[in-house]
Amino acid sequence: AQKITQTQPGMFVQEKEAVTLDCTYDTSDPSYGLFWYKQPSSGEMIFLIYQGSYDQQNATEGRYSLNFQKARKSANLVISASQLGDSAMYFCAMRPYGGSQGNLIFGKGTKLSVKP
Amino acid sequence: NAGVTQTPKFRVLKTGQSMTLLCAQDMNHEYMYWYRQDPGMGLRLIHYSVGEGTTAKGEVPDGYNVSRLKKQNFLLGLESAAPSQTSVYFCASSYSRLSGYEQYFGPGTRLTVT
Repeated sequence: AQKITQTQPGMFVQEKEAVTLDCTYDTSDPSYGLFWYKQPSSGEMIFLIYQGSYDQQNATEGRYSLNFQKARKSANLVISASQLGDSAMYFCAMRPYGGSQGNLIFGKGTKLSVKP
Repeated sequence: NAGVTQTPKFRVLKTGQSMTLLCAQDMNHEYMYWYRQDPGMGLRLIHYSVGEGTTAKGEVPDGYNVSRLKKQNFLLGLESAAPSQTSVYFCASSYSRLSGYEQYFGPGTRLTVT
């Protein structure tokens, strides 16, 4: 079964510190993509970062980096130098290559709160 | 570019009423999706479309129908609304089903069925 697991319902981090949000995945597809989305309280889904299963290097986008450990099937999001505006729900998602759908499979999310 | 837009943003229905949610995208994307988001859960796929005139069922299709008569529009219909369909509905589109192409999401429609 294709599945994304986010084991941290809620996280707190002090402003300007780094934080890691955990994500593990399960798929039998040899090729897949992993995504992180941010959902602020306003409700929209904002794309943050993408990692392909065959990418050799971990993806980075500004203050976001994805710690990809393929053997462990984990794709943790690291946010460096947290800001108050980072307070939001964060969703890990996977898109397997197999099949014709192309849809994303989402985890249940982690609510991040940044403290001043 | 407006990206992905959804109409309406909010709606309250009574049990048994019907309604249609409209999703429009101006990015010439082939793939379009309807998801629902319930409290404490991630987004779940309702229906999707891989091109104009084609639709298919996702993970939670019961109680919904869809149509994609034009490439830029994807409609989600509720024929007889039930309280279990109270949710936030997101439309998304993508250029390709392949891994590297991100999905662009609309702002969501908050639906309450009483």
